[in-house]
Amino acid sequence: SQQGEEDPQALSIQEGENATMNCSYKTSINNLQWYRQNSGRGLVHLILIRSNEREKHSGRLRVTLDTSKKSSSLLITASRAADTASYFCATDTGRRALTFGSGTRLQVQP
Amino acid sequence: DVKVTQSSRYLVKRTGEKVFLECVQDMDHENMFWYRQDPGLGLRLIYFSYDVKMKEKGDIPEGYSVSREKKERFSLILESASTNQTSMYLCASSLSLGLAQNQQFFGPGTRLTVL
Repeated sequence: SQQGEEDPQALSIQEGENATMNCSYKTSINNLQWYRQNSGRGLVHLILIRSNEREKHSGRLRVTLDTSKKSSSLLITASRAADTASYFCATDTGRRALTFGSGTRLQVQP
Repeated sequence: DVKVTQSSRYLVKRTGEKVFLECVQDMDHENMFWYRQDPGLGLRLIYFSYDVKMKEKGDIPEGYSVSREKKERFSLILESASTNQTSMYLCASSLSLGLAQNQQFFGPGTRLTVL
């Protein structure tokens, strides 16, 4: 399996519910980042969490990082139909480039 | 806001053709990247560049080359396009952050079809 794997691969929820996506990785990291991709478009950076941080918030987003378990989670609270997108985690392992996972497809039903 | 532009949104080429994909960023970023994205495989790094005329192979460089003659422009070249290079190609740029990787800014992507 690859560095930075998201789980689940797909998630369908109702508007107003919370959405949680998980990311696991294999090697030590400098930071971990989450990106969103709307269908057929480029990726947009959401949040960056450094290896010495455990939790970070940005608006309705909450990211946690557990370096002992080599995992991270992205929580979107009070989801909206506009949150429908694919979400990717990306790890900085010190090799001058990020390594992206295969993503979680989130569908928020109105 | 950082703007990353790619020369085409959609491109159709024939097998064996030489294909150029251009990427331009307007924020003086040192680092530029080329990825391809295929269903179920996520983003895979083809090549990246951390300075003018500097390039490094990513995870899947075979069949591709790159050129970075100016800081703002990073070109991906398919020397002889093949059908297995049909994919979405994404360009990104980032500002250097010492040894750590900063957030990347992506272009809208080029969907390439090779017939």
